[in-house]
Amino acid sequence: DTAVSQTPKYLVTQMGNDKSIKCEQNLGHDTMYWYKQDSKKFLKIMFSYNNKELIINETVPNRFSPKSPDKAHLNLHINSLELGDSAVYFCASSPEGQGYGYTFGSGTRLTVV
Amino acid sequence: AQKITQTQPGMFVQEKEAVTLDCTYDTSDPSYGLFWYKQPSSGEMIFLIYQGSYDQQNATEGRYSLNFQKARKSANLVISASQLGDSAMYFCAMREGLYDYKLSFGAGTTVTVRA
Repeated sequence: DTAVSQTPKYLVTQMGNDKSIKCEQNLGHDTMYWYKQDSKKFLKIMFSYNNKELIINETVPNRFSPKSPDKAHLNLHINSLELGDSAVYFCASSPEGQGYGYTFGSGTRLTVV
Repeated sequence: AQKITQTQPGMFVQEKEAVTLDCTYDTSDPSYGLFWYKQPSSGEMIFLIYQGSYDQQNATEGRYSLNFQKARKSANLVISASQLGDSAMYFCAMREGLYDYKLSFGAGTTVTVRA
């Protein structure tokens, strides 16, 4: 059973389209995240939800909108896709407490053409 | 300002030898956690090891150990007895404070293990 699963794994789409990436975790964690890994492999947090409440909202274009219907799910919707949105998007989750590593999903490689 | 600095973009190591990956961090919060992740070419992020700022002893997990030097603000990862499967990108990360959920990552170091 995959702990943090995100779909799709690959997404190729044209500029201007709207797309969604879904994430689900079965670890019982309270907090979920979206991270973006750019072409230089740099990882940057985008959003975080704790028990369905948005707690981190970094400087991200408002074309990106996260949604957490329950604490096991965190989806990312992207409107009007641009070439610069091409990246790998990782979903992650973590339990309460400082000493625990985040569990990452396998990533979604988004390519905008 | 960069919170996590990894100055080695790439390293080569001979199989069965040890390798040290450097990581320095910057925080004024007395409570923080330091993490290392491995990202193989397949792309997944694998949690390796954690060190808390109040931990008295260096963390170890199998062949991974963390050389924590608090005064120097460094948290170097040591991989002993390198294996071909250790070839990957390695990221150092930090979580500041008791209630800050954000994990800040360094730029990563690519390790290539030679047979």
